[in-house]
Amino acid sequence: AQKVTQAQTEISVVEKEDVTLDCVYETRDTTYYLFWYKQPPSGELVFLIRRNSFDEQNEISGRYSWNFQKSTSSFNFTITASQVVDSAVYFCALSPWAGNNRKLIWGLGTSLAVNP
Amino acid sequence: GAVVSQHPSRVICKSGTSVKIECRSLDFQATTMFWYRQFPKQSLMLMATSNEGSKATYEQGVEKDKFLINHASLTLSTLTVTSAHPEDSSFYICSAKDFRATAKEGYEQYFGPGTRLTVT
Repeated sequence: AQKVTQAQTEISVVEKEDVTLDCVYETRDTTYYLFWYKQPPSGELVFLIRRNSFDEQNEISGRYSWNFQKSTSSFNFTITASQVVDSAVYFCALSPWAGNNRKLIWGLGTSLAVNP
Repeated sequence: GAVVSQHPSRVICKSGTSVKIECRSLDFQATTMFWYRQFPKQSLMLMATSNEGSKATYEQGVEKDKFLINHASLTLSTLTVTSAHPEDSSFYICSAKDFRATAKEGYEQYFGPGTRLTVT
């Protein structure tokens, strides 16, 4: 069975703090995709990153960075020097490589509040 | 980047009426579209997968007669909530896959902005 676990339901930090959002996944597939999405209060999902299972290089994009560890089935997301605009719900998701429809398997999300 | 629109963005309707939500891919063709439902402070729940020219595939527990899905063209899928009741109030999100996308792009789904349905 495929599953995505985001153990942190809510996180609250003060502006400029670094924060890491955890994501652990389960899959029997050897190839798959992992995603992170941001959902601000407006509701519209914002795509952040897609990672192929065969590419374990960590990625940095501005204040955002992602740590993919296949050995521990984790795909954690770190925001450096957090800002109030980072306040949102963040979802981690898993998608199989094969198959016609490739449904996304979603985590329950982590609600991040960045306080001034 | 690929853009998906949804219309309306918000709708309030009376109990017993039907509501239609449109999902359009604006600059690409989508053979597959997905419909999600999201309750407050919860994750996205896949309701159905909509394939152009064929019947939608509904997830377990989703009433196909209640949530009618039509994917008549490569750029438009509609979700009709029939005989809506207050418990149908929710945030409905669609996503679309570009039929040209390859494995390299992860067959990425592009999400619409969502439709907030309130049934009174």
